[in-house]
Amino acid sequence: AQKVTQAQTEISVVEKEDVTLDCVYETRDTTYYLFWYKQPPSGELVFLIRRNSFDEQNEISGRYSWNFQKSTSSFNFTITASQVVDSAVYFCALSDNTDKLIFGTGTRLQVFP
Amino acid sequence: GAVVSQHPSRVICKSGTSVKIECRSLDFQATTMFWYRQFPKKSLMLMATSNEGSKATYEQGVEKDKFLINHASLTLSTLTVTSAHPEDSSFYICSASTGLAGGKYFGPGTRLLVL
Repeated sequence: AQKVTQAQTEISVVEKEDVTLDCVYETRDTTYYLFWYKQPPSGELVFLIRRNSFDEQNEISGRYSWNFQKSTSSFNFTITASQVVDSAVYFCALSDNTDKLIFGTGTRLQVFP
Repeated sequence: GAVVSQHPSRVICKSGTSVKIECRSLDFQATTMFWYRQFPKKSLMLMATSNEGSKATYEQGVEKDKFLINHASLTLSTLTVTSAHPEDSSFYICSASTGLAGGKYFGPGTRLLVL
């Protein structure tokens, strides 16, 4: 069975600090997809990234970067120079050969000015 | 980009009534649609998977007679909460998929409050 673990329930940082959100996953499939979503207070999910299991290259998009390590089954997300607008709940999710998307428990990030 | 709409965005109803929530993929055809439920400060829990023209597959613990899903076309799925009770109050989110290797697109969600 697939499982996603986000051990950090809440993280608080001060603006301009870097912050890393951890994600550890479990699956028996060799082909799978990993996702990160942002959920602001409005509730609407904002897609951030999708990565397939065969692509271990790290990705950078502006202040966001992702570190995919198959050896440790982790897909961590780093925000550099955090801003107040980054405050939200962030979900890591996994999709395997069933096409279902299973979410982690989420990490609430609060960025203070 | 792919857009998924949900209607209504908010609904308040009396206990015992039924509520229908629509999920539409506006500019693409979805092979599969999913329904999630989210309680305050909790994660999204998958309720069911639906494919056009076939019966929905429900996750363990989800009452299929309580949460009726109809997937009438490749762009429309509906979730009906039957005989709603206060404990059904939640945030319901649908997702449309374009396949295993495709995208997963989410609707904006529907907040249901049962009085």
